[in-house]
Amino acid sequence: DAKTTQPNSMESNEEEPVHLPCNHSTISGTDYIHWYRQLPSQGPEYVIHGLTSNVNNRMASLAIAEDRKSSTLILHRATLRDAAVYYCILRGYDNYGQNFVFGPGTRLSVLP
Amino acid sequence: DSGVTQTPKHLITATGQRVTLRCSPRSGDLSVYWYQQSLDQGLQFLIQYYNGEERAKGNILERFSAQQFPDLHSELNLSSLELGDSALYFCASSVSSRTGEGGTEAFFGQGTRLTVV
Repeated sequence: DAKTTQPNSMESNEEEPVHLPCNHSTISGTDYIHWYRQLPSQGPEYVIHGLTSNVNNRMASLAIAEDRKSSTLILHRATLRDAAVYYCILRGYDNYGQNFVFGPGTRLSVLP
Repeated sequence: DSGVTQTPKHLITATGQRVTLRCSPRSGDLSVYWYQQSLDQGLQFLIQYYNGEERAKGNILERFSAQQFPDLHSELNLSSLELGDSALYFCASSVSSRTGEGGTEAFFGQGTRLTVV
């Protein structure tokens, strides 16, 4: 199974950019890189996903390394509401369920 | 609002009892996933259904079972409950497809908090 490695925790100041790294050295050519986040006492929330090219949406940007063995989730201006656990997950194109497994994620703290 | 509805929001029951948790996926989503999250623990994948059929199984106990109905809603049945089954149970849905799902995002409900006393 393709796995991801993330730092256990990170800290950021409010209104500063945040770069959350994820390593996935065993990624296969058909694996998509997904990011979800979970705020306290809530269900996980989809953030962004991509395959090869960098992606932007209203919530964040996803920068994918050229060799695809790592990626970075970028929050352009952290707010207190961005404090959450962030999960980086690989989802295979032709594999099911077992690829939607969450690791421990990165707990992001945002300081005022 | 993710569009995924889970009921009930809270459930308190005694050890040895049986409960049913319900999940209504987003309109048009064919896949439903179930997860268990114990206090301060990670999300444990339990099981996935796609269009009424079981597609993948994770760390689901034999005392637990699930099904997906023709209208695509899903139920997770937990029986012979133990204190350790107290947890948040989340359901997620995604569009998926017959051949793959890597490029599809999933949307989670707000969970059912189960307390076994």
